[in-house]
Amino acid sequence: EADIYQTPRYLVIGTGKKITLECSQTMGHDKMYWYQQDPGMELHLIHYSYGVNSTEKGDLSSESTVSRIRTEHFPLTLESARPSHTSQYLCASSIGIREPEAFFGQGTRLTVV
Amino acid sequence: KNEVEQSPQNLTAQEGEFITINCSYSVGISALHWLQQHPGGGIVSLFMLSSGKKKHGRLIATINIQEKHSSLHITASHPRDSAVYICAALGPNFGNEKLTFGTGTRLTIIP
Repeated sequence: EADIYQTPRYLVIGTGKKITLECSQTMGHDKMYWYQQDPGMELHLIHYSYGVNSTEKGDLSSESTVSRIRTEHFPLTLESARPSHTSQYLCASSIGIREPEAFFGQGTRLTVV
Repeated sequence: KNEVEQSPQNLTAQEGEFITINCSYSVGISALHWLQQHPGGGIVSLFMLSSGKKKHGRLIATINIQEKHSSLHITASHPRDSAVYICAALGPNFGNEKLTFGTGTRLTIIP
């Protein structure tokens, strides 16, 4: 049973607000990922981490930032939300080389008005 | 029983072989994703499709909405295709985009 949680599931927020999307996993996975998915489009990797204090930008440029202070926690922050940030954000984690299967959270649907 | 079933769970083939991975789902969907994950790497979204067929290079994905079935094909397989392939069902409604994932198919291509 995968234990990876994202909160909130849905968020509607005004332009200019700072927001943090939470992602936590209880499986002890080193690797964690954030994906962005615009309506009707494919998933795109925006950030990933291979362990504590390790963060990298993904394939799709994003104005968001991430941090990895604890293994289980990988929050994503937007300092000043804009309507162009309206999207679904999906967090995932995986063990690594020996067991490459990834586990996904249920996503956060963000709407910036 | 998972709402999204993939088969086979594991597949080993020789380089050059034609590969087919199947995905059946029991939920209503708006679209279906095929994802790829390499050992130690991140997840790449290969296709998102809601009807018919899509092709990208040596990869082809098809979906039959009536039969609730999708297939991923790889032509002229290569060792670098070795990865876990995951289908994920999206939907059923545009405003209810819950992703339901299959358990993945581990593909190994032997040179």
